[in-house]
Amino acid sequence: NAGVMQNPRHLVRRRGQEARLRCSPMKGHSHVYWYRQLPEEGLKFMVYLQKENIIDESGMPKERFSAEFPKEGPSILRIQQVVRGDSAAYFCASSLGRKNTEAFFGQGTRLTVV
Amino acid sequence: DQQVKQNSPSLSVQEGRISILNCDYTNSMFDYFLWYKKYPAEGPTFLISISSIKDKNEDGRFTVFLNKSAKHLSLHIVPSQPGDSAVYFCAEGGSEKLVFGKGTKLTVNP
Repeated sequence: NAGVMQNPRHLVRRRGQEARLRCSPMKGHSHVYWYRQLPEEGLKFMVYLQKENIIDESGMPKERFSAEFPKEGPSILRIQQVVRGDSAAYFCASSLGRKNTEAFFGQGTRLTVV
Repeated sequence: DQQVKQNSPSLSVQEGRISILNCDYTNSMFDYFLWYKKYPAEGPTFLISISSIKDKNEDGRFTVFLNKSAKHLSLHIVPSQPGDSAVYFCAEGGSEKLVFGKGTKLTVNP
């Protein structure tokens, strides 16, 4: 039973380009969470999605960031017109239900903006 | 504004001794806490949790203590092993979103 899969593991983008981060949840999990970890910081919540619905996006920057979790396929975190401050590790977690102890994290995508 | 604080960025202990990692929180409404362990280049892994109705929860070598009046919790690892070397994050998880501290890097020396 594969765990939460994130790809790519490493992503380098020039300022102004778009970054697309993918997350395939564990089999049977319909709840997906995205977190961002800046250097020397803890993980910070960005967005919580269920299939085809955004439940809580209170941690998402208002501009340039969007997330989706379509009926088929992985969840996508999209960052448009990236800036140096977007450089961070982005982690996805998935769960069967809403309880956090059931959430399993992927290995993360490390985004570097040059 | 850090609602969950881990004031020690790092901790070093000898193998076989006790490791004590501390965490403070500011929001008295917080009622469920979790500890995660994270190795470099990997995602966090759930370790142990505690609800505010308890003051202690134990799982093998790991014990979490909660002092609600002091808004403080601690993770005890005994005996510590070299494989425990990792970054440990305290988090509050009463809602769908986890609120993490900045982490404490534990090094267990053989």
